[in-house]
Amino acid sequence: DGGITQSPKYLFRKEGQNVTLSCEQNLNHDAMYWYRQDPGQGLRLIYYSQIVNDFQKGDIAEGYSVSREKKESFPLTVTSAQKNPTAFYLCASSTGYSEQFFGPGTRLTVL
Amino acid sequence: KNEVEQSPQNLTAQEGEFITINCSYSVGISALHWLQQHPGGGIVSLFMLSSGKKKHGRLIATINIQEKHSSLHITASHPRDSAVYICAVKRSNNNDMRFGAGTRLTVKP
Repeated sequence: DGGITQSPKYLFRKEGQNVTLSCEQNLNHDAMYWYRQDPGQGLRLIYYSQIVNDFQKGDIAEGYSVSREKKESFPLTVTSAQKNPTAFYLCASSTGYSEQFFGPGTRLTVL
Repeated sequence: KNEVEQSPQNLTAQEGEFITINCSYSVGISALHWLQQHPGGGIVSLFMLSSGKKKHGRLIATINIQEKHSSLHITASHPRDSAVYICAVKRSNNNDMRFGAGTRLTVKP
């Protein structure tokens, strides 16, 4: 089955710790995206990558970092510099300018 | 002002009612998407359209490019339609998506 997986579904971390969220796709898509969703707001783009070994900042990249060493994988690290990291994080992928396919999301809670 | 505005924010309906959710946008777009997000959080794409109208089962999506407006209709609504419906636009000439805040639909039996 082709799709996007994100793990874990729920993640708890102490304030000041870095945490890495996993995103894997087997759709053979070139482009991958990370979004953040907060209550009452639309999804906001954190980072995106259109090809392996290349990525661009989105609207709210501060406090986050990514890597794209493999086509299938686009992990997101939430660093201690992110002032309000508690949120729902969604990963998506697409090919060219087609529609984006979304993963199931990771809910991060920083205690 | 957000580039994508949805109305209403929340909508409660009785089973069987006809539902309309509206989306207005203020930027040039190459396509508009309607997405469905269930309580677990995962998002499913319902429609991608750039003109006219599309229908899938009980769901109908329309877009008026001149008026920069789209509607999502649900006929004969059912409790399993309860979800958050999100309008998203792909801006012209790039791969950038902008999202509405979503409409939370609750259909009561």
